[in-house]
Formats: sequence, structure tokens, C-alpha cells
Amino acid sequence: DAGVIQSPRHEVTEMGQEVTLRCKPISGHNSLFWYRQTMMRGLELLIYFNNNVPIDDSGMPEDRFSAKMPNASFSTLKIQPSEPRDSAVYFCASSRGEQGQEAFFGQGTRLTVV
Amino acid sequence: GENVEQHPSTLSVQEGDSAVIKCTYSDSASNYFPWYKQELGKGPQLIIDIRSNVGEKKDQRIAVTLNKTAKHFSLHITETQPEDSAVYFCAASNDYKLSFGAGTTVTVRA
Repeated sequence: DAGVIQSPRHEVTEMGQEVTLRCKPISGHNSLFWYRQTMMRGLELLIYFNNNVPIDDSGMPEDRFSAKMPNASFSTLKIQPSEPRDSAVYFCASSRGEQGQEAFFGQGTRLTVV
Repeated sequence: GENVEQHPSTLSVQEGDSAVIKCTYSDSASNYFPWYKQELGKGPQLIIDIRSNVGEKKDQRIAVTLNKTAKHFSLHITETQPEDSAVYFCAASNDYKLSFGAGTTVTVRA
């Protein structure tokens, strides 16, 4: 299996622009997570999907952030409008099973908002 | 919510020596404890995990121990090699949510 695939790997955008991050989970995994990693806050869970349904979005920082999972093989994380403080590495992870343990991470998208 | 503390934040060891990283957690309901290794520019990679019904688990040069009473768990790497240099994260979970420690940067000196 190719693992969790994220795109793009790097994104540089201007403040105020819309940013869309993409994720393809491992085939057969029914749990998907979006994490954000920063030096200050470490790894934070933003949102958790199970069977394509958002179960926990309590980590989404504010209304500028939204995530969708239209099918079992694709998810997006959108930031609109983006701000410099959104600069971070965003990871998508997937796992098998309802409890969502044994999560496998993608390579991440490094987002820089200038 | 769960709070995971990890120590030390940095660790430098001579090649061939052992490295030990320790974590404590706050939620007694946590039952799953994975360890991740993150190399520069890459995503965290699961290297070993342990569940609450087990006290110790070993995989070649890597071992993890769990003390549920004291709510702490540790990662042990023996015979360290240069490729072990990375950032290591512990985590704790009792459902889907992984709560991560702050990470330990391990440097193996040749």
C-alpha cells in the first residue's frame, strides 16, 4: 500500500487567500484524522471522521477552518481566509476500526501564509 | 482531557548505548499507548505500541514498558545507531483521540 497520501507537500499563500489541503487515506481504513503540528503547540487533533462522518471537530480552531470527506478515499481541509498564524505542518492520518487507534500518518503539508 | 508529559526534551547518546524516554499520562481510562518516530520533513511513523493489558512489549532493539498504577510508560532503544536519530513522540488514548507528548529529539553520536 502507498500509505496515506497528502497534497500538496508545500503550500505558500498570501494572507486572505483560500487554501485547500488534500488527503487520500489507506484503502480499507474507515477512520481519518487531520492534525496540525507547530513548535508551540505540538501535534493537535483538528477533526476526526469515522465512515466519512465527522465525529469530533472540537479541535478546529475557528470557522475559517472546514473539512469534508465526500467518500472513503478522499478528504479535504480548507482554510478561508488564511492568516499567518495558520502556518504549520498539517498531517492527515488514517486507521482501521471504530476506535481509530494505530493511526498511520501521511507526509504532511507544510503551509506558509505570508 | 488527557494530558501527556514527556521527558527528556532532548537526548544525546553515544552510538551503541541505550536511550530511554519516559512519559506520564493523566487519564486512568487510557488503554492504548503508541510511540511514533518522526524524521525531518516526514510524518510521524508508528514504531511500537502497547495496550493496557500488557506490561512490556519488545520488537528487536525497541521495547516499551507500561505501569498503569503509576500512569507512566517508557520507550527503550538498545544498541543505538545513527539512523535512530529523530524526534520521538509518545501518545495515550482511550478511544479515537491520541494525546501526544511534546516530543524528544534523540541524537546518536557516531
